[in-house]
Amino acid sequence: GAGVSQTPSNKVTEKGKYVELRCDPISGHTALYWYRQSLGQGPEFLIYFQGTGAADDSGLPNDRFFAVRPEGSVSTLKIQRTERGDSAVYLCASSLSGGRRDTQYFGPGTRLTVL
Amino acid sequence: DQQVKQNSPSLSVQEGRISILNCDYTNSMFDYFLWYKKYPAEGPTFLISISSIKDKNEDGRFTVFLNKSAKHLSLHIVPSQPGDSAVYFCAATTGNQFYFGTGTSLTVIP
Repeated sequence: GAGVSQTPSNKVTEKGKYVELRCDPISGHTALYWYRQSLGQGPEFLIYFQGTGAADDSGLPNDRFFAVRPEGSVSTLKIQRTERGDSAVYLCASSLSGGRRDTQYFGPGTRLTVL
Repeated sequence: DQQVKQNSPSLSVQEGRISILNCDYTNSMFDYFLWYKKYPAEGPTFLISISSIKDKNEDGRFTVFLNKSAKHLSLHIVPSQPGDSAVYFCAATTGNQFYFGTGTSLTVIP
Protein backbone atom coordinates (compact mmCIF):
# COMPACT_ATOMS: atom_id res chain seq x y z
CA GLY A 1 0.00 0.00 0.00
CA ALA A 2 1.02 3.61 -0.49
CA GLY A 3 2.89 5.31 2.28
CA VAL A 4 3.13 9.00 3.08
CA SER A 5 4.28 11.00 0.09
CA GLN A 6 5.67 14.51 0.00
CA THR A 7 6.17 16.84 -2.92
CA PRO A 8 8.41 18.28 -4.09
CA SER A 9 11.34 16.21 -2.84
CA ASN A 10 13.59 19.22 -3.23
CA LYS A 11 12.79 22.91 -3.39
CA VAL A 12 15.27 25.71 -3.96
CA THR A 13 14.00 29.23 -3.56
CA GLU A 14 15.29 32.72 -3.03
CA LYS A 15 15.07 34.66 0.18
CA GLY A 16 11.76 36.46 0.44
CA LYS A 17 9.82 34.08 -1.80
CA TYR A 18 6.72 32.09 -0.90
CA VAL A 19 6.75 28.27 -0.91
CA GLU A 20 4.21 25.51 -0.51
CA LEU A 21 5.08 21.99 0.57
CA ARG A 22 2.58 19.20 0.09
CA CYS A 23 1.92 16.06 2.12
CA ASP A 24 -0.27 13.13 1.09
CA PRO A 25 -0.91 10.99 4.15
CA ILE A 26 -1.83 7.33 4.25
CA SER A 27 -5.45 6.93 3.23
CA GLY A 28 -7.76 6.83 6.22
CA HIS A 29 -5.31 8.40 8.64
CA THR A 30 -7.01 11.20 10.54
CA ALA A 31 -3.89 12.54 12.27
CA LEU A 32 -1.20 14.44 10.40
CA TYR A 33 1.98 16.03 11.72
CA TRP A 34 4.53 18.41 10.27
CA TYR A 35 8.12 18.47 11.52
CA ARG A 36 11.21 20.40 10.54
CA GLN A 37 14.65 18.80 10.67
CA SER A 38 17.62 21.11 10.49
CA LEU A 39 21.11 19.82 9.78
CA GLY A 40 22.46 17.76 12.66
CA GLN A 41 19.21 17.97 14.60
CA GLY A 42 16.27 15.71 15.22
CA PRO A 43 12.79 16.39 13.87
CA GLU A 44 11.19 19.41 15.50
CA PHE A 45 7.41 19.45 15.93
CA LEU A 46 5.57 22.16 14.00
CA ILE A 47 1.86 21.34 13.88
CA TYR A 48 -0.60 18.51 14.43
CA PHE A 49 -3.90 18.09 12.57
CA GLN A 50 -6.79 15.96 13.70
CA GLY A 51 -9.04 15.77 10.67
CA THR A 52 -9.36 19.20 9.10
CA GLY A 53 -8.47 21.18 12.18
CA ALA A 54 -5.13 22.11 13.67
CA ALA A 55 -5.25 20.49 17.10
CA ASP A 56 -1.88 21.91 18.11
CA ASP A 57 0.04 24.54 16.15
CA SER A 58 2.29 25.66 18.98
CA GLY A 59 5.40 24.49 17.17
CA LEU A 60 5.07 26.90 14.26
CA PRO A 61 8.03 29.26 14.72
CA ASN A 62 6.30 32.49 13.63
CA ASP A 63 3.44 33.85 11.58
CA ARG A 64 5.30 33.28 8.31
CA PHE A 65 4.43 29.60 8.68
CA PHE A 66 0.93 28.32 8.06
CA ALA A 67 -0.55 24.91 7.30
CA VAL A 68 -3.91 23.72 6.05
CA ARG A 69 -5.72 20.44 5.63
CA PRO A 70 -9.04 21.50 4.13
CA GLU A 71 -10.52 18.07 3.40
CA GLY A 72 -8.86 16.10 6.15
CA SER A 73 -6.43 14.32 3.88
CA VAL A 74 -3.78 16.27 1.92
CA SER A 75 -2.00 18.99 3.84
CA THR A 76 0.00 21.98 2.63
CA LEU A 77 2.64 23.77 4.65
CA LYS A 78 3.01 27.36 3.50
CA ILE A 79 5.98 29.57 4.23
CA GLN A 80 5.86 33.27 3.41
CA ARG A 81 8.85 35.58 2.97
CA THR A 82 11.31 32.71 3.28
CA GLU A 83 14.56 33.27 5.14
CA ARG A 84 17.86 31.41 4.90
CA GLY A 85 17.21 29.98 8.35
CA ASP A 86 14.14 28.18 6.99
CA SER A 87 16.44 25.83 5.07
CA ALA A 88 15.77 22.34 6.41
CA VAL A 89 14.09 19.06 5.61
CA TYR A 90 10.36 19.30 6.24
CA LEU A 91 8.87 15.98 7.28
CA CYS A 92 5.25 14.96 7.31
CA ALA A 93 3.84 12.03 9.25
CA SER A 94 0.40 10.52 9.58
CA SER A 95 -1.19 8.13 12.04
CA LEU A 96 -4.50 6.34 12.14
CA SER A 97 -6.14 8.33 14.91
CA GLY A 98 -3.48 10.39 16.69
CA GLY A 99 -2.28 10.08 20.25
CA ARG A 100 0.92 8.93 21.79
CA ARG A 101 0.46 5.21 21.17
CA ASP A 102 -0.49 5.51 17.55
CA THR A 103 2.42 4.79 15.19
CA GLN A 104 3.42 7.74 13.07
CA TYR A 105 4.41 6.95 9.50
CA PHE A 106 6.80 9.47 8.00
CA GLY A 107 7.20 10.61 4.46
CA PRO A 108 10.65 11.03 2.87
CA GLY A 109 10.60 14.78 3.44
CA THR A 110 11.01 17.90 1.33
CA ARG A 111 14.45 19.45 1.39
CA LEU A 112 14.01 23.23 1.30
CA THR A 113 16.97 25.41 0.45
CA VAL A 114 16.62 29.16 0.72
CA LEU A 115 19.37 31.02 -1.10
CA ASP B 1 16.04 24.04 25.18
CA GLN B 2 16.64 20.44 24.15
CA GLN B 3 14.35 18.26 26.24
CA VAL B 4 15.57 15.00 24.71
CA LYS B 5 19.28 14.46 24.28
CA GLN B 6 21.40 11.87 22.57
CA ASN B 7 24.95 12.63 23.56
CA SER B 8 26.66 10.14 21.28
CA PRO B 9 26.50 11.29 17.68
CA SER B 10 27.93 8.02 16.40
CA LEU B 11 28.58 4.42 17.40
CA SER B 12 30.43 1.57 15.68
CA VAL B 13 29.82 -2.06 16.58
CA GLN B 14 30.98 -5.38 15.20
CA GLU B 15 28.36 -7.57 13.57
CA GLY B 16 26.90 -10.02 16.09
CA ARG B 17 27.73 -7.87 19.12
CA ILE B 18 25.37 -5.74 21.16
CA SER B 19 24.61 -2.12 20.22
CA ILE B 20 23.54 0.17 23.05
CA LEU B 21 22.13 3.57 22.19
CA ASN B 22 21.42 6.04 24.94
CA CYS B 23 18.99 8.87 25.44
CA ASP B 24 18.39 11.33 28.27
CA TYR B 25 15.43 13.59 28.87
CA THR B 26 14.69 16.48 31.17
CA ASN B 27 10.89 16.72 31.28
CA SER B 28 9.44 14.50 34.00
CA MET B 29 5.99 14.85 32.39
CA PHE B 30 6.98 12.66 29.44
CA ASP B 31 4.98 9.46 29.71
CA TYR B 32 5.70 7.68 26.46
CA PHE B 33 8.99 7.11 24.68
CA LEU B 34 9.81 5.88 21.22
CA TRP B 35 12.77 4.93 19.06
CA TYR B 36 12.88 5.59 15.35
CA LYS B 37 15.35 4.42 12.75
CA LYS B 38 16.26 6.50 9.71
CA TYR B 39 18.03 5.57 6.51
CA PRO B 40 19.43 8.30 4.22
CA ALA B 41 16.84 10.04 2.03
CA GLU B 42 13.99 8.33 3.87
CA GLY B 43 11.73 9.43 6.69
CA PRO B 44 12.12 7.95 10.17
CA THR B 45 10.57 4.53 10.74
CA PHE B 46 9.06 3.54 14.09
CA LEU B 47 11.04 0.85 15.85
CA ILE B 48 9.88 0.31 19.41
CA SER B 49 8.21 2.21 22.23
CA ILE B 50 7.75 2.10 25.98
CA SER B 51 5.24 3.56 28.38
CA SER B 52 6.43 5.26 31.56
CA ILE B 53 4.66 2.61 33.62
CA LYS B 54 7.11 0.00 32.36
CA ASP B 55 10.86 -0.29 32.62
CA LYS B 56 11.46 -2.67 29.75
CA ASN B 57 9.93 -3.56 26.42
CA GLU B 58 11.26 -6.17 24.05
CA ASP B 59 10.57 -6.86 20.39
CA GLY B 60 12.79 -9.44 18.77
CA ARG B 61 16.37 -8.20 18.69
CA PHE B 62 15.35 -4.80 20.08
CA THR B 63 14.87 -3.98 23.75
CA VAL B 64 14.20 -0.58 25.24
CA PHE B 65 14.97 0.11 28.89
CA LEU B 66 13.56 3.05 30.83
CA ASN B 67 15.03 4.41 34.05
CA LYS B 68 12.62 7.13 35.18
CA SER B 69 14.59 8.17 38.23
CA ALA B 70 17.61 8.87 36.04
CA LYS B 71 15.46 10.19 33.16
CA HIS B 72 17.31 7.84 30.88
CA LEU B 73 16.37 5.32 28.25
CA SER B 74 18.42 3.00 26.14
CA LEU B 75 17.94 0.84 23.09
CA HIS B 76 19.72 -2.50 22.94
CA ILE B 77 20.12 -4.32 19.65
CA VAL B 78 21.41 -7.85 19.87
CA PRO B 79 22.80 -9.35 17.78
CA SER B 80 23.65 -6.34 15.64
CA GLN B 81 23.43 -6.79 11.88
CA PRO B 82 24.86 -4.69 9.03
CA GLY B 83 21.31 -3.76 8.01
CA ASP B 84 20.93 -2.03 11.38
CA SER B 85 23.33 0.67 10.22
CA ALA B 86 21.24 3.83 10.30
CA VAL B 87 20.55 6.93 12.39
CA TYR B 88 18.51 6.21 15.50
CA PHE B 89 16.33 8.87 17.12
CA CYS B 90 14.71 8.66 20.50
CA ALA B 91 11.54 10.63 21.07
CA ALA B 92 9.30 11.45 24.00
CA THR B 93 5.80 12.80 24.37
CA THR B 94 3.18 13.92 26.86
CA GLY B 95 0.42 13.98 24.24
CA ASN B 96 0.22 15.75 20.89
CA GLN B 97 3.81 16.96 20.69
CA PHE B 98 6.71 14.63 20.13
CA TYR B 99 10.22 15.73 21.07
CA PHE B 100 13.13 14.11 19.28
CA GLY B 101 16.79 13.78 20.16
CA THR B 102 19.54 14.70 17.72
CA GLY B 103 20.18 11.12 16.69
CA THR B 104 22.96 8.55 16.92
CA SER B 105 24.48 7.17 13.74
CA LEU B 106 25.06 3.43 14.18
CA THR B 107 27.49 1.58 11.97
CA VAL B 108 27.57 -2.19 12.20
CA ILE B 109 30.81 -3.52 10.81
CA PRO B 110 30.59 -6.90 9.03
